[in-house]
Amino acid sequence: DSGVTQTPKHLITATGQRVTLRCSPRSGDLSVYWYQQSLDQGLQFLIQYYNGEERAKGNILERFSAQQFPDLHSELNLSSLELGDSALYFCASSVGPRQETQYFGPGTRLLVL
Amino acid sequence: SQQGEEDPQALSIQEGENATMNCSYKTSINNLQWYRQNSGRGLVHLILIRSNEREKHSGRLRVTLDTSKKSSSLLITASRAADTASYFCATDGPYNQGGKLIFGQGTELSVKP
Repeated sequence: DSGVTQTPKHLITATGQRVTLRCSPRSGDLSVYWYQQSLDQGLQFLIQYYNGEERAKGNILERFSAQQFPDLHSELNLSSLELGDSALYFCASSVGPRQETQYFGPGTRLLVL
Repeated sequence: SQQGEEDPQALSIQEGENATMNCSYKTSINNLQWYRQNSGRGLVHLILIRSNEREKHSGRLRVTLDTSKKSSSLLITASRAADTASYFCATDGPYNQGGKLIFGQGTELSVKP
């Protein structure tokens, strides 16, 4: 158990819908990262927050947004969902803004029908 | 786009044999890490090697790094059925891109009892 929790574990929804994925980092970790894992793209970095502020941005679609709250949990919002958004979404956390080791949560499996 | 390429994509061995996986990357790095993923679950950090290190050991794991060739290898000795998983190498991104990790596409290891 990495200490990172993600909810929900599974999510099935329809195209055009909006969903929110939630992540709680390990106690004491200030950085939260979001990654997407799909068969065709592999593991892709989406976005990082550090102590409430956006720190780095990857190939995140404009339909996707994220935030980190004062209690350090984070939410990833996916809107206008398309079939191609079906993937595993992982949250990871680390102590600092550029800490080497990241601790991954169990992931949220999103299926868009 | 992904930084690393891993070789082989899949590897099948018998219990007790050694397994070697290779990773190549494109740009200069500060460190390289190996992660393990069991069938669609979260990633588990295995080992980190810094750019000024050439070899590192952790239990049955041995990692080498050749920065001149931009490549790394992970050796698992005396493999067990429980080692069956996907193994990913990950490199750190440019300094101005926070703590993002750039993953290879992974090697799927199957250890037969």
